[in-house]
Amino acid sequence: EMVMTQSPATLSVSPGERATLSCRASQSVSSNLAWYQQKPGQAPRLLIYGASTRATGIPARFSGSGSGTEFSLTISSLQSEDFAVYYCQQYNNWPSMYTFGRGTKLEIK
Amino acid sequence: EVQLVESGGGLVQPGRSLRLSCATSGFTFEDFGMHWVRQAPGKGLEWVSGISWNSNNIGYADSVKGRFTISRDNAENSVYLQMSSLRAEDTALYYCAKDLSVAAPTTAFDIWGQGTMVTVSS
Repeated sequence: EMVMTQSPATLSVSPGERATLSCRASQSVSSNLAWYQQKPGQAPRLLIYGASTRATGIPARFSGSGSGTEFSLTISSLQSEDFAVYYCQQYNNWPSMYTFGRGTKLEIK
Repeated sequence: EVQLVESGGGLVQPGRSLRLSCATSGFTFEDFGMHWVRQAPGKGLEWVSGISWNSNNIGYADSVKGRFTISRDNAENSVYLQMSSLRAEDTALYYCAKDLSVAAPTTAFDIWGQGTMVTVSS
């Protein structure tokens, strides 16, 4: 069973600072890794796919890296609208589960 | 504009059935795989089921396998989730989501609906 582990569970950062979120897969997912942002009362929004490709309309301050089992999402200079919950998701195997991590809550320090 | 609109949620007793629908517009539906993802109140995201663009590949989370059935109607631009033997732990907001890439074996989900709430309780 594939397990996606995100850390930390909560990250407190000041506006304008950099935030780095981590995601680890229990087995290799190659580059089949996506990041989503979810704000309260809203559906998730795709930020990054293929581990490092920004989705349409996503600002350049969001960047993704990694391959295999270790991945990270970096937000270079936090804006007020970036405080949200972030999920990683692997989509390496079909039709097996598209596993999500448990999320990292990014909060204002 | 690409849109996904879920419907069919509601309050249902344990053991009963419910059918969710996701109506889509703004893209060539028959070219894309579709998925259902749920989120229990205050919890994270859980992939429930997915169906490929041509219906040849269908998958389910272990938690719903044997109880839920996904299907699609390309003429109606819609995807469905038939849920049976519902349990309290199936209580969640159910999102419909679209594959990012055309006819892809696996891909991220680029468009999500706003969800339909399913509450399983006596």
